[in-house]
Amino acid sequence: SQQGEEDPQALSIQEGENATMNCSYKTSINNLQWYRQNSGRGLVHLILIRSNEREKHSGRLRVTLDTSKKSSSLLITASRAADTASYFCALVGSNNNDMRFGAGTRLTVKP
Amino acid sequence: KAGVTQTPRYLIKTRGQQVTLSCSPISGHRSVSWYQQTPGQGLQFLFEYFSETQRNKGNFPGRFSGRQFSNSRSEMNVSTLELGDSALYLCASSVLHQGGTEAFFGQGTRLTVV
Repeated sequence: SQQGEEDPQALSIQEGENATMNCSYKTSINNLQWYRQNSGRGLVHLILIRSNEREKHSGRLRVTLDTSKKSSSLLITASRAADTASYFCALVGSNNNDMRFGAGTRLTVKP
Repeated sequence: KAGVTQTPRYLIKTRGQQVTLSCSPISGHRSVSWYQQTPGQGLQFLFEYFSETQRNKGNFPGRFSGRQFSNSRSEMNVSTLELGDSALYLCASSVLHQGGTEAFFGQGTRLTVV
């Protein structure tokens, strides 16, 4: 199974700005998920997008998926200092039970 | 509903020792996965258990093993510990619903090998 590759590795923005993180992968997927991790703690599920979906929203989060380019993006609008965390994309393959994570993007939102 | 519980939260072991970590999944979840997280390697998949059977396995040496009990609780064991095994070990229980598999993570066990 493959892992996603996120970019950038690190992102630093001011509060109120938007943050965009990208995830690319190589083979087919059943769905792609985004998770957030505060320093040294467990991961929290943010949003799941299926392979037949192109865009999903959840509050200030917007996720897009382009299966032709094998890439996804996570947009956080009107960022807050509390959004400071690492964000990971997770790929779920066709067997729907094998989840692999990318290296993550470290987001810092300055107040 | 209680979340995923991992014990212990912190552990210090000496090189050459062995260690057992425990994970109690969310009630009703039958799939439990284990991950190793280090600053250099990110989140690496160790293995996944479903109904007491190992269903998937990552690329880790045989020193890393696991098992799942009939109540879905899982343990992972690392034998002959090496300094490089120092990491945050995360357990996730998951459920398959219409949209796909969603994983719920525990807080992790921070293992330090000295």
